[in-house]
Amino acid sequence: QVQLQESGPGLVKPSQTLFLTCTVSGGSISSDDYYWTWIRQPPGKGLEWIGYIYYSGSTYYNPSLKSRVTISLDKSKNQFSLKLSSVTAADTAVYFCAREVSSGTWFDYWGQGTLVTVSS
Amino acid sequence: QSALTQPASVSGSPGQSITISCTGTSSDVGKYNLVSWYQQHPGKAPKLMIYEVIKRPSGVSNRFSGSKSGNTASLTISGLQAEDEADYYCCSYANSRLFGGGTKLTVL
Repeated sequence: QVQLQESGPGLVKPSQTLFLTCTVSGGSISSDDYYWTWIRQPPGKGLEWIGYIYYSGSTYYNPSLKSRVTISLDKSKNQFSLKLSSVTAADTAVYFCAREVSSGTWFDYWGQGTLVTVSS
Repeated sequence: QSALTQPASVSGSPGQSITISCTGTSSDVGKYNLVSWYQQHPGKAPKLMIYEVIKRPSGVSNRFSGSKSGNTASLTISGLQAEDEADYYCCSYANSRLFGGGTKLTVL
């Protein structure tokens, strides 16, 4: 059974960089069948797709966040990570990592989510 | 790219059927058969309910079904049960990935 687990600081100061890691168990991030994805949800609001990374290292980001986002892979640890720079209060959200099936674009496994608050 | 449009809320009584719409454009929902639907209970991660417009993952009740006409996809839940009360989100491929704003389903 595939499991994903987010980890990282729950509080980030404005203008700093948010950094989260997703640890994947029960499956390999080196598979060419999946995209490894970050999605966020501001409190009380809907879902927003942030971007994905493929096993090859290729990435695709939401155009609205592209200038501030970096997603990277660590195959040795079966992890992938999210960096979001220059954060503001608008970046306060629950951040989910998820596995997207590359052949059809659906998210079949999700992490439980982690709340990141941007505040001084 | 704008988010897909969903009604903010729908409601129904136990045993009834409801339909949630998800309207996009000819560049996303209308162009690709790559619409998926997710159920989210409070404080939980979303759960995949429908993919590729009409397909149901293993383990999802056959009371859930999907369809599409033009630029609008729909999720129908038949035989409403109390545990169906949740938020529902659609998602479409469009080079990027677009989510709907979400629909709160209340079972009366």
